[in-house]
Amino acid sequence: NAGVTQTPKFQVLKTGQSMTLQCAQDMNHEYMSWYRQDPGMGLRLIHYSVGAGITDQGEVPNGYNVSRSTTEDFPLRLLSAAPSQTSVYFCASSYSPVLSSYEQYFGPGTRLTVT
Amino acid sequence: DQQVKQNSPSLSVQEGRISILNCDYTNSMFDYFLWYKKYPAEGPTFLISISSIKDKNEDGRFTVFLNKSAKHLSLHIVPSQPGDSAVYFCAASARSGGGADGLTFGKGTHLIIQP
Repeated sequence: NAGVTQTPKFQVLKTGQSMTLQCAQDMNHEYMSWYRQDPGMGLRLIHYSVGAGITDQGEVPNGYNVSRSTTEDFPLRLLSAAPSQTSVYFCASSYSPVLSSYEQYFGPGTRLTVT
Repeated sequence: DQQVKQNSPSLSVQEGRISILNCDYTNSMFDYFLWYKKYPAEGPTFLISISSIKDKNEDGRFTVFLNKSAKHLSLHIVPSQPGDSAVYFCAASARSGGGADGLTFGKGTHLIIQP
């Protein structure tokens, strides 16, 4: 199993550009989520999905869109990048937030810089 | 308002001694707590968890203690090893409420194990 994979690892964008951060998992997990980590901060939840076709907002959703057309993939879209979105982005998955121990598996992260 | 607090940004411990990392929370709805370990340029990895119905959970060198009345938990690592040097995040979830709204993380404690 590859676990949770994220692409790209690094990305530089100019203000106003759009892009999609990719996330995939091969563990057949129902639950997937996106977090961002800023210097001196913990991870903050952006969006999450409890299954294909179902998404919801987390703590800091503004400026981001998500979709979940398959169990495996959960892309994060930046609609119009802003310098405040400079951060490290982590995708995570788990079997089920209700049934499991709630252990989430994290990808290696995407480091995004917006100039 | 930070719901999960790790008040020590860093902690230095001698190899072979006990490392104690602390975490406080304010949300009384939290009923499941986790510790994650993070190395630079990698995603967080799950270390150990505890449900609010327990006050202690042990896994090898790692033990987590939960004091619900004080809204405090701690992670004990004994004996500490050089490979334990990493950032440790405390995280919490309100699983009984469905738990789908992700984990709330503290800011992390950088543990440094000195030879």
